[in-house]
Amino acid sequence: DGGITQSPKYLFRKEGQNVTLSCEQNLNHDAMYWYRQDPGQGLRLIYYSQIVNDFQKGDIAEGYSVSREKKESFPLTVTSAQKNPTAFYLCASSPRTSGSGELFFGEGSRLTVL
Amino acid sequence: GNSVTQMEGPVTLSEEAFLTINCTYTATGYPSLFWYVQYPGEGLQLLLKATKADDKGSNKGFEATYRKETTSFHLEKGSVQVSDSAVYFCALSNTGNQFYFGTGTSLTVIP
Repeated sequence: DGGITQSPKYLFRKEGQNVTLSCEQNLNHDAMYWYRQDPGQGLRLIYYSQIVNDFQKGDIAEGYSVSREKKESFPLTVTSAQKNPTAFYLCASSPRTSGSGELFFGEGSRLTVL
Repeated sequence: GNSVTQMEGPVTLSEEAFLTINCTYTATGYPSLFWYVQYPGEGLQLLLKATKADDKGSNKGFEATYRKETTSFHLEKGSVQVSDSAVYFCALSNTGNQFYFGTGTSLTVIP
């Protein structure tokens, strides 16, 4: 079945460690996104990519990094520079790079810093 | 700029009650509007969408009409069920494929 796969679903990290969250899509979508969700808050955009080998910072990019080496993959690294990384992370993709295409979401990855 | 404001929750309703969740937006140009639903521990799923003024999106008994004159996209359902308990997000997309989300409204339906 077509969709977006995020892994791992749950991740625990010690302070000072970098972690990488995986996001893979087989929908042949051009655009991919990473959002952060905190309890009681909406979604905040971390990074997005409209095309392979190109990506842009969102509203809260500090302490995060991404790569887009393949169309289907958009991994997110949470670095030790992120001061408060405990959150629910959502990856999404969209079939269009401009216009009114909808977002398709993965099931999310919950990161907890111990 | 672009932004979405939606009704704050939480909202608690009895089964079979009428639901309205208000959503208003600010946008340049002609955005598309969406309602997404999130069940506990899961990602967001598209519930319905409308791409131009006066369009009505509908799905699973939920409806919302794109009102350009009032810049609104209120979500309604005539008779809610316990299974509708979730968090609902209003969103818009504009040129450049940028998406803007409201803060979400938590709905709990009690039997």
